[in-house]
Amino acid sequence: NAGVTQTPKFQVLKTGQSMTLQCAQDMNHEYMSWYRQDPGMGLRLIHYSVGAGITDQGEVPNGYNVSRSTTEDFPLRLLSAAPSQTSVYFCASSSFDRFGTEAFFGQGTRLTVV
Amino acid sequence: AQKITQTQPGMFVQEKEAVTLDCTYDTSDQSYGLFWYKQPSSGEMIFLIYQGSYDEQNATEGRYSLNFQKARKSANLVISASQLGDSAMYFCAMRESGNTDKLIFGTGTRLQVFP
Repeated sequence: NAGVTQTPKFQVLKTGQSMTLQCAQDMNHEYMSWYRQDPGMGLRLIHYSVGAGITDQGEVPNGYNVSRSTTEDFPLRLLSAAPSQTSVYFCASSSFDRFGTEAFFGQGTRLTVV
Repeated sequence: AQKITQTQPGMFVQEKEAVTLDCTYDTSDQSYGLFWYKQPSSGEMIFLIYQGSYDEQNATEGRYSLNFQKARKSANLVISASQLGDSAMYFCAMRESGNTDKLIFGTGTRLQVFP
């Protein structure tokens, strides 16, 4: 059981470049989310999805796009990378069925924008 | 607005001793869940323990227990018999009821266990 898989694990981008962070889960979870982690700020929600075809913005959505065409996949797109987007990105998934169930996190993607 | 506050940026504890990591929260919801996650130096997020707002007893998971004081809006993590492998960042998080899965995280506490 792979859980939540994120790729790549490390990435360096030049300012203005675009890229997609991949996230896939094999637990048939309805909920999927993207967070960014910056020093001293904990994790902050970027975008989330409550099911295929449904997405919404979190606390820090600017500069990021998401889509969810399948239950399994929830890619995060950076349209024009900026140094302020240098961060560690986590994808998470959880089940709607039980409120008390924990969110499962991927291993994270460390992104540096130069 | 919902908020999680962790006031201890860093904590030290000797091996085999107990340690309490503080967490206070702010919410107007009656139904919510509180979580603690561990992040070792390798970077992954590891779920430790969960407490529901309507749970009457404090949650326990092995050496981890959650000291839940609803009236004070606090959800402190207690680690008993600390081990060197407990050295990590610890995050408190809250999920509110509703048809979403938004987690609000605190800024974390770095715990260092020394021999």
